[in-house]
Amino acid sequence: QGTLKQSGPALVKPTQTLTLTCTFSGISLHKSGLRVSWIRQPPGKGLEWLARVDWDDDEFYRTSLKTRLTISMDTSKNQVVLIMTNMEPADTGTYYCAASRDTFFNQWGQGTLVSVSS
Amino acid sequence: SYVLTQPPSVSVAPGKTASITCGGNNIGTKSVHWYQQMPGQVPVLIVQDDRDRPSGIPERFSGSNSGNTATLTISRVEAGDEADYYCQVWDSRTEHGVFGGGTKLTVL
Repeated sequence: QGTLKQSGPALVKPTQTLTLTCTFSGISLHKSGLRVSWIRQPPGKGLEWLARVDWDDDEFYRTSLKTRLTISMDTSKNQVVLIMTNMEPADTGTYYCAASRDTFFNQWGQGTLVSVSS
Repeated sequence: SYVLTQPPSVSVAPGKTASITCGGNNIGTKSVHWYQQMPGQVPVLIVQDDRDRPSGIPERFSGSNSGNTATLTISRVEAGDEADYYCQVWDSRTEHGVFGGGTKLTVL
């Protein structure tokens, strides 16, 4: 098992685009069989699945956010990137990347607290 | 969309058994996973595929799944088990990950 390290801004302004990166160490994403999801958690609330990209480039999106999300896997950099456009205050929360070769999430990034405020 | 329903809170005395339910339409036909999240911490997978424990998870944590309800059972509850617990499935019909709303376990 490898480790997942997240990077991205802590603060974005309304209408701006959020880009979060999840970098894998100790495991190669190339032909790994891994499925990598992004999950968020508003302050004091529960977990919400956002999107998933698989090792074979299949992509899946939360229907309600589909028009605002893009997930991609860059095997050359061993990274998974989430882009969320048109950010608004309701998008404030902790964002996690999480991975496994199954339908559960047994490897998690450290989380990135993103605040949306002008 | 597929919905998972958990009680917001469960309270239990130390040494007793806590049961946390996760309701969903025919959830017994799906693989249910459970996570423990301590305050300010990253969620940790504690039960996968209804009843399997990942390496390092104590035997006190067990799961079951049948009909419209999956259950996480914590035996001999300890103060350190106080946390939020989430159930999760992958809904193959919509190709979505789905989490329950979470249950806060309080050890009295």
